[in-house]
Amino acid sequence: AQSVAQPEDQVNVAEGNPLTVKCTYSVSGNPYLFWYVQYPNRGLQFLLKYITGDNLVKGSYGFEAEFNKSQTSFHLKKPSALVSDSALYFCAVRPTGGGNKLTFGTGTQLKVEL
Amino acid sequence: KAGVTQTPRYLIKTRGQQVTLSCSPISGHRSVSWYQQTPGQGLQFLFEYFSETQRNKGNFPGRFSGRQFSNSRSEMNVSTLELGDSALYLCASSLGTVRSNTEAFFGQGTRLTVV
Repeated sequence: AQSVAQPEDQVNVAEGNPLTVKCTYSVSGNPYLFWYVQYPNRGLQFLLKYITGDNLVKGSYGFEAEFNKSQTSFHLKKPSALVSDSALYFCAVRPTGGGNKLTFGTGTQLKVEL
Repeated sequence: KAGVTQTPRYLIKTRGQQVTLSCSPISGHRSVSWYQQTPGQGLQFLFEYFSETQRNKGNFPGRFSGRQFSNSRSEMNVSTLELGDSALYLCASSLGTVRSNTEAFFGQGTRLTVV
């Protein structure tokens, strides 16, 4: 069975500073990894995915994520945070060849302050 | 391209009643998945339909059921509602072939409140 851990319930960062939201995963075989963002009373918006290839994946709104197979991690990063980045971020994993069942982490609330 | 559409957006039901939620996927997408989101349990997978067949199922009681039509639209039904069924129900659509590496796109969700 696959699982995802997001160890931080909340991350606080000042606007303009770099941000990191952590994610580790457990899955049999090669994983597909995803980051989604959720704003209040809204659905999930896709940010980026890792399928194969380069370990550094670039996504929407200046976000990127680094895949580390040995540490089974897929941390979300952004060089310079904006107040508008404040939202709930979810990491998700899906095994290859397993349909579209996503297993999500518990979410990390990102708060970017002026 | 139109996104994933879920109706209704908000719903209030009484314990013991049943409810049907609807999801229209992105045109061309054949896979529709349903998720329940609650503050206590987070995002939990309910089931996935692909070409009118249930392909994956989560760990929910039989009161939760779904179906998919030939145009890929999907409905989920919850019978004998309990207070604990109050949640945001999210639908996600994707191309859906087994080896597809494409991402899922989510609708805005249906907020169900059981009183």
